[in-house]
Amino acid sequence: EAGVAQSPRYKIIEKRQSVAFWCNPISGHATLYWYQQILGQGPKLLIQFQNNGVVDDSQLPKDRFSAERLKGVDSTLKIQPAKLEDSAVYLCASSSLRTNSPLHFGNGTRLTVT
Amino acid sequence: AQSVAQPEDQVNVAEGNPLTVKCTYSVSGNPYLFWYVQYPNRGLQFLLKYITGDNLVKGSYGFEAEFNKSQTSFHLKKPSALVSDSALYFCAVRGFTGGFKTNFGAGTRLFVKA
Repeated sequence: EAGVAQSPRYKIIEKRQSVAFWCNPISGHATLYWYQQILGQGPKLLIQFQNNGVVDDSQLPKDRFSAERLKGVDSTLKIQPAKLEDSAVYLCASSSLRTNSPLHFGNGTRLTVT
Repeated sequence: AQSVAQPEDQVNVAEGNPLTVKCTYSVSGNPYLFWYVQYPNRGLQFLLKYITGDNLVKGSYGFEAEFNKSQTSFHLKKPSALVSDSALYFCAVRGFTGGFKTNFGAGTRLFVKA
């Protein structure tokens, strides 16, 4: 099966600019996640979708971050405006609806904010 | 709130020797526990999971993990380490509350010396 696709792989922007990341999950996976991984830390959940509804966005900085999953398939995560501390790898993952199913991750987008 | 602790930033082991990467967790109720591995510039890759039943679970690439409910631990093990096992390892817990959110530890870097 095709894995989770993410683009772009790398992005460099200046602070206060905006950026968007795209994710296409594994076909048939109802649950989609966006994680932020800062260097030296474990992944932190930003937002979790089930189909096109939000299950958890408690750690999403909603004043600057937004995400959508139209039609319950692919998803976009946006940052506007970016801050220096947003420099991180943004990982998209998907899983089936089974509560014990593992997450399948994409290769991530490395964002550098200068 | 659920959480995961990986007490070692780095584990060093000689090739051919057994390895252990430690993980302890905190969660309400019975947990689902996972181990993932991350190679440079890649997303996380699922290794194994504990759902219920036998406390020793086997996974990919010869890895296994031992669930200990009384010590709330889920240590990753391998009888004989390979240089190619050198990578970043993450323990994760999924509880039954809050939309089955998955929390990750900070990661342990495994270095296997030839």
